[in-house]
Amino acid sequence: ETGVTQSPTHLIKTRGQQVTLRCSSQSGHNTVSWYQQALGQGPQFIFQYYREEENGRGNFPPRFSGLQFPNYSSELNVNALELDDSALYLCASSPGGAGGREKLFFGSGTQLSVL
Amino acid sequence: QQQVKQSPQSLIVQKGGISIINCAYENTAFDYFPWYQQFPGKGPALLIAIRPDVSEKKEGRFTISFNKSAKQFSLHIMDSQPGDSATYFCAATGTASKLTFGTGTRLQVTL
Repeated sequence: ETGVTQSPTHLIKTRGQQVTLRCSSQSGHNTVSWYQQALGQGPQFIFQYYREEENGRGNFPPRFSGLQFPNYSSELNVNALELDDSALYLCASSPGGAGGREKLFFGSGTQLSVL
Repeated sequence: QQQVKQSPQSLIVQKGGISIINCAYENTAFDYFPWYQQFPGKGPALLIAIRPDVSEKKEGRFTISFNKSAKQFSLHIMDSQPGDSATYFCAATGTASKLTFGTGTRLQVTL
């Protein structure tokens, strides 16, 4: 196991609603990244947080936002859900620093379905 | 903009055979190239990775070949086993933790 846990594992929402996905990183990992994985595709980088501040963002609109907390937990919030937001959302933690990208640990993801 | 192209989309290999998956990248700023393995219902897990200063890296049955001039790299799985059946993603990065993934290869190893 990676030591990265995500909740919930599955979620069903309707278009226009808001959703919050949660992640608990490995102890000591001060960097967390979120990825969106559409069916049959590779994960797409949403954003990264380092020591509670956003530290890089992919090509996602502002309705995707996040938070990172001092206790190694983090959240991904999506407002005004659209059908295309249906995907597996992955959280990945790393110790950060120069070696962070070589020690990236993914959780099992939250499967979000938007109806 | 897809910066990492991966092929084939799917692959069927007999037990004991060699599985080969290829990737090509565009961004010359990439300097770290990992391969991830993903089983159904699980997140990707790091399998093996390479930096562009070497042309090959081997770990057990898994080998990465890297061609910097062609901007291509490949994964070879020797003596493929049914337990290797999974989806494989190549990835690339030039900055900490931000990975650009390929589209994935679904590998099936038959008996």
